[in-house]
Amino acid sequence: AQTVTQSQPEMSVQEAETVTLSCTYDTSENNYYLFWYKQPPSRQMILVIRQEAYKQQNATENRFSVNFQKAAKSFSLKISDSQLGDTAMYFCAFMKGNDMRFGAGTRLTVKP
Amino acid sequence: KAGVTQTPRYLIKTRGQQVTLSCSPISGHRSVSWYQQTPGQGLQFLFEYFSETQRNKGNFPGRFSGRQFSNSRSEMNVSTLELGDSALYLCASSLRSVTEAFFGQGTRLTVV
Repeated sequence: AQTVTQSQPEMSVQEAETVTLSCTYDTSENNYYLFWYKQPPSRQMILVIRQEAYKQQNATENRFSVNFQKAAKSFSLKISDSQLGDTAMYFCAFMKGNDMRFGAGTRLTVKP
Repeated sequence: KAGVTQTPRYLIKTRGQQVTLSCSPISGHRSVSWYQQTPGQGLQFLFEYFSETQRNKGNFPGRFSGRQFSNSRSEMNVSTLELGDSALYLCASSLRSVTEAFFGQGTRLTVV
């Protein structure tokens, strides 16, 4: 069974600085998808970034980028130029087929 | 384009009762997945429907069931409610498979 581990329950960062959230996963599969979702206080899960395992190039979406290390089964999220609106729970997720597994989440607080 | 709509937003039920939650996916999306989110267990996959058929099921008791209608709208039913069923229930829709899931704002169920 696939498992996703987020080892940082809480993190904080000063506005405009950079922060990295870690995620590791365990799978024997070769082809799969990885995601980072953001859940602000409004509760709605918002897709931040997606990575296909067969792509070696790290995905980037504006201020959000990932460091995907397939051999190490690591998928960290880097947020550059942090903004107050980035304050939220961040969930790392693994998907194979139609089954998506989530990590426990990291609560990120951006401080002014 | 309207997002994923879940109704009701909040619900209070008594132990032993049953409850039905509704999810209307984004227009054109045929896959609907359900998740349970609790502070203790995090986000857990319940089941996924595609074209009125359940394609995948998580590890939940038979009290949790669902269905999908021809218009892709989905309902989730929980019978004989227990206190531990108190959670945020999230629904997500996607075009085909869960390569990019869009989430609703969830239904907060409280069992007393």
